[in-house]
Amino acid sequence: EAGVAQSPRYKIIEKRQSVAFWCNPISGHATLYWYQQILGQGPKLLIQFQNNGVVDDSQLPKDRFSAERLKGVDSTLKIQPAKLEDSAVYLCASSSGQAPYEQYFGPGTRLTVT
Amino acid sequence: AQSVSQHNHHVILSEAASLELGCNYSYGGTVNLFWYVQYPGQHLQLLLKYFSGDPLVKGIKGFEAEFIKSKFSFNLRKPSVQWSDTAEYFCAVNAQRSNYQLIWGAGTKLIIKP
Repeated sequence: EAGVAQSPRYKIIEKRQSVAFWCNPISGHATLYWYQQILGQGPKLLIQFQNNGVVDDSQLPKDRFSAERLKGVDSTLKIQPAKLEDSAVYLCASSSGQAPYEQYFGPGTRLTVT
Repeated sequence: AQSVSQHNHHVILSEAASLELGCNYSYGGTVNLFWYVQYPGQHLQLLLKYFSGDPLVKGIKGFEAEFIKSKFSFNLRKPSVQWSDTAEYFCAVNAQRSNYQLIWGAGTKLIIKP
């Protein structure tokens, strides 16, 4: 089966610009996650979707970050405006919703904000 | 608050040495446990998982982990490492009462000297 797809793989922008990331989960996976991973740290959950509804966005900086999952499949994560500290790898993961709810990750988008 | 501790941030071994990476979690309830691996330049991959049954679980590439409930531990082991095992290893936990969100350890960077 195809894995989680993400694009772009790399993005360099200047601070105060906007950027968007796209994710296509594994077919049939109802749960989708966006993470931020800073070098040398474990992933930090930004938002969790169940189908097209938000389960948890408590760690999403909503003043600048937004995410949507229209039709319960693909998802986009947007940052507007970007700050230097947003430089990180943005990971998308999906889960089938069956025990033990393991997550499968995409390759990530490495964002550099200059 | 739930947490996952990985005892070693950096481990350097020679090829053929035995490996044990420690993972302890703080969570008072039924949990599912995972080890993920991130090879250089690649995405996070599921190495192995435990959710019920035999507490000794085997994963890909000769890795195994043992769940010791009384010690809240889920240590990763491999009897003989190879240079290709150089990677970062993350321990993670999820549970029903937190929407099966993964709680991550900080990761262990493993370097195998040829």
